[in-house]
Amino acid sequence: KAGVTQTPRYLIKTRGQQVTLSCSPISGHRSVSWYQQTPGQGLQFLFEYFSETQRNKGNFPGRFSGRQFSNSRSEMNVSTLELGDSALYLCASSLGAGVGLETQYFGPGTRLLVL
Amino acid sequence: GQNIDQPTEMTATEGAIVQINCTYQTSGFNGLFWYQQHAGEAPTFLSYNVLDGLEEKGRFSSFLSRSKGYSYLLLKELQMKDSASYLCAVKDSNYQLIWGAGTKLIIKP
Repeated sequence: KAGVTQTPRYLIKTRGQQVTLSCSPISGHRSVSWYQQTPGQGLQFLFEYFSETQRNKGNFPGRFSGRQFSNSRSEMNVSTLELGDSALYLCASSLGAGVGLETQYFGPGTRLLVL
Repeated sequence: GQNIDQPTEMTATEGAIVQINCTYQTSGFNGLFWYQQHAGEAPTFLSYNVLDGLEEKGRFSSFLSRSKGYSYLLLKELQMKDSASYLCAVKDSNYQLIWGAGTKLIIKP
């Protein structure tokens, strides 16, 4: 079974631009969560999508948005990029049943550098 | 607020045993996860605890005390490849994962 894939793997943008990142979950997984990871900050939860609907949302500004398609693939968009948005963006998929044992499986991440 | 605390960095010797602690304060509890993350790679699942006690999986064991809001990950017979960050995460009452900042484990020969 193929794992979680993310594209692109690396990205360089300048302040003010916008960016779209893509995530394809494991086949059969209906939940996709997005995280931002910076050194020393750990994983910061952005949002979770399940069946094309945002189910949970973290404490990020409205510049961060996402969506999920009918095939469970998900995209996240960051508009008006700031230097502080430089980070590793990780996508994780799971079945989406919402039970405690359910495990998230992570993609390799997209490393975004904002200049 | 919700909070998970782990030591920032630990150093251990190859072949030895190391214990990585995690304390948490969350709105509800639906399980605690440990993940391993090698530098530049994605986190990978190690263990899950929802009941008090010790879960053993090969060289790795994870312990949970819900009354104390405390868990630890025990790594035995350390190998150089165990050098990585170890992330503790708790599922809260909304089944949302709350993550610690991770513990960077350095293994020395």
